[in-house]
Amino acid sequence: EVQLVESGGGLVKPGGSLRLSCAASGFTFSNAWMIWVRQAPGKGLEWLGHIKRVTDGGTTDYAAPVKGRFTISRDDSRNTLYLQMNSLKIEDTAVYYCTKQSLSGSFDSWGQGTLVTVSS
Amino acid sequence: EIVLTQSPGTLSLSPGERATLSCRASQSVSSDYLAWYQQKPGQAPRLLIYGVSSRAIGIPDRFSGSGSGTEFTLTISRLEPEDFAVYYCQQYGSSPLITFGQGTRLEIK
Repeated sequence: EVQLVESGGGLVKPGGSLRLSCAASGFTFSNAWMIWVRQAPGKGLEWLGHIKRVTDGGTTDYAAPVKGRFTISRDDSRNTLYLQMNSLKIEDTAVYYCTKQSLSGSFDSWGQGTLVTVSS
Repeated sequence: EIVLTQSPGTLSLSPGERATLSCRASQSVSSDYLAWYQQKPGQAPRLLIYGVSSRAIGIPDRFSGSGSGTEFTLTISRLEPEDFAVYYCQQYGSSPLITFGQGTRLEIK
């Protein structure tokens, strides 16, 4: 069974930093493209970015609102995905989900999410 | 960036009725890379449909997807109590810029 478990969320002041982790199990993590999606309170889903598997170059892409501030990385030896968030803004307050991209390109497995609150 | 617009914003129906949810794209979705997700309160989204019309593993056949180009539809043939939730469409054809619709809330009438 695929499991994705996010951790690292919490309360942070504007301008601060936070690193989220996503522990993966139940599938070959190194073969998967992995994604971060967030959902602000009462709002819809927002794709933040992805990281390709190493055999596809291991490169990353980001959505405009977070480009230059957020960094996605992976440690295939630990089956763990990361999201480093710097220069946090109040509007970054959201539940952050890690997801796994299927062979078809859709997001077939999701973690339970971790809440990040940016407030002074 | 492809903008997805879902309608209606809220749909009020009774169990047993048929639900039709729409998703319109600002430009053609390439290679039919269109998916639908269901989200219940306090839960993560769940993949229902990918590739416009293919059901994900474990999804009942009362859920079906159709459409092409810029117009897509999710149909729930006969609503069960557990189907009342928020539904999102997503396009993943213009990678790396993946976008979601704003969601349709399906509520019990």
